[in-house]
Amino acid sequence: AIQMTQSPSSLSASVGDRVTITCRASQGIGNDLGWYQQKPGKVPTLLIYAASSLQSGVPSRFSGSGSGTDFTLTISSLQPEDFATYFCLQDYSFPFTFGQGTKLEIK
Amino acid sequence: EAQLEQPGAEVKEPGESLRISCEGSGYSFSSYWINWARQMPGKGLEWMGRIDPSDSYINYSPSFQGHVTISIDKSIRTAYLQWSSLKASDTGVYYCARHVGSRGYGMDVWGQGTTVIVSS
Repeated sequence: AIQMTQSPSSLSASVGDRVTITCRASQGIGNDLGWYQQKPGKVPTLLIYAASSLQSGVPSRFSGSGSGTDFTLTISSLQPEDFATYFCLQDYSFPFTFGQGTKLEIK
Repeated sequence: EAQLEQPGAEVKEPGESLRISCEGSGYSFSSYWINWARQMPGKGLEWMGRIDPSDSYINYSPSFQGHVTISIDKSIRTAYLQWSSLKASDTGVYYCARHVGSRGYGMDVWGQGTTVIVSS
């Protein structure tokens, strides 16, 4: 199975900050990676698919990049509603695998 | 609007069986895989498996194969996740989510999750 290593596991930041979260795959996955946001007690939502495509309805301050084994989610200017946990998911091959998650907290 | 409907919660004792459902509406049900994911209390997401409604083909994660069964009834647009003998370690929230079936496109619609509590 492909392992997804996500970092950092937690992050403190302030409103207005630029934030970057990374996922590294244990083998090449092309651009078959998505990023998800989950707020406490809520359902995960898809932010980015195919590594860099913005899901409909998602604010443009979210962006994704990368291909192969290294991927990045960037939030250009943090808003109060962005404090949540973020996961990556590879859907290149079965079994699909999630990263461990990054908890983004208010500094 | 595409939706996946799941029951809210189930409380069971160890050794009991359970089947939870995921009903799709507002989209072409056969055109999207249904995936299942587990989230244990305070933990991350774990992909369990998926079923393709068009041919009922199933892929399981090795971590869950043999312990759960995924199935589908296209006639009522519903996928299922079932256990024949629950353990306390099965306690968690179980989500279904649809996937368009092409690599890279992710899971764009999620159910609200079913909380499963297994306790004696």
